[in-house]
Amino acid sequence: DARVTQTPRHKVTEMGQEVTMRCQPILGHNTVFWYRQTMMQGLELLAYFRNRAPLDDSGMPKDRFSAEMPDATLATLKIQPSEPRDSAVYFCASGSRLAGGLYNEQFFGPGTRLTVL
Amino acid sequence: ELKVEQNPLFLSMQEGKNYTIYCNYSTTSDRLYWYRQDPGKSLESLFVLLSNGAVKQEGRLMASLDTKARLSTLHITAAVHDLSATYFCAVARASGSRLTFGEGTQLTVNP
Repeated sequence: DARVTQTPRHKVTEMGQEVTMRCQPILGHNTVFWYRQTMMQGLELLAYFRNRAPLDDSGMPKDRFSAEMPDATLATLKIQPSEPRDSAVYFCASGSRLAGGLYNEQFFGPGTRLTVL
Repeated sequence: ELKVEQNPLFLSMQEGKNYTIYCNYSTTSDRLYWYRQDPGKSLESLFVLLSNGAVKQEGRLMASLDTKARLSTLHITAAVHDLSATYFCAVARASGSRLTFGEGTQLTVNP
């Protein structure tokens, strides 16, 4: 049963601490997305990668957030230093690009619920 | 900038009734997605609509797409309690991977 996995599932930290969230995309999927969900802003795309290369990170605060994909089986989202306003659920999703340029649907991981005190 | 609007945002309905959720978007798109999210859970893909006039059905849910009107509908037939969830539509810009999500429609089906 192929699925996207994320760790940790829950994280409580204090303001100023570094937070690292990890995502394992579905094997064979070449596109990975990071989203943030809050009550106020809804679902926002932070960044996405194709074939491990960053394609768009315009939704991400550059001064404190960074996203990487060190290999095809791992994507990371790091916040340093964290702030209370970063409290949200962070979802990773993966998908694959089909022949002809059409895209499959994105499959979402279970999310990391982050609380910054 | 692509904008996606859903309505209604909150929907309370009785079991056995029919209703439609609407999703409007502002610019040309070549595909539209519907997702379901249960409280505290992740998003589950329901439908992918790829062309004008596309209609897909799964159980009591049916989704359609009118690209000329920039409108998709999610129709619920004879609602049951298990359908209670938040439903999101998401639209991709033509030739892009990036999805823009609507605000979500929180559906509550009452016995």
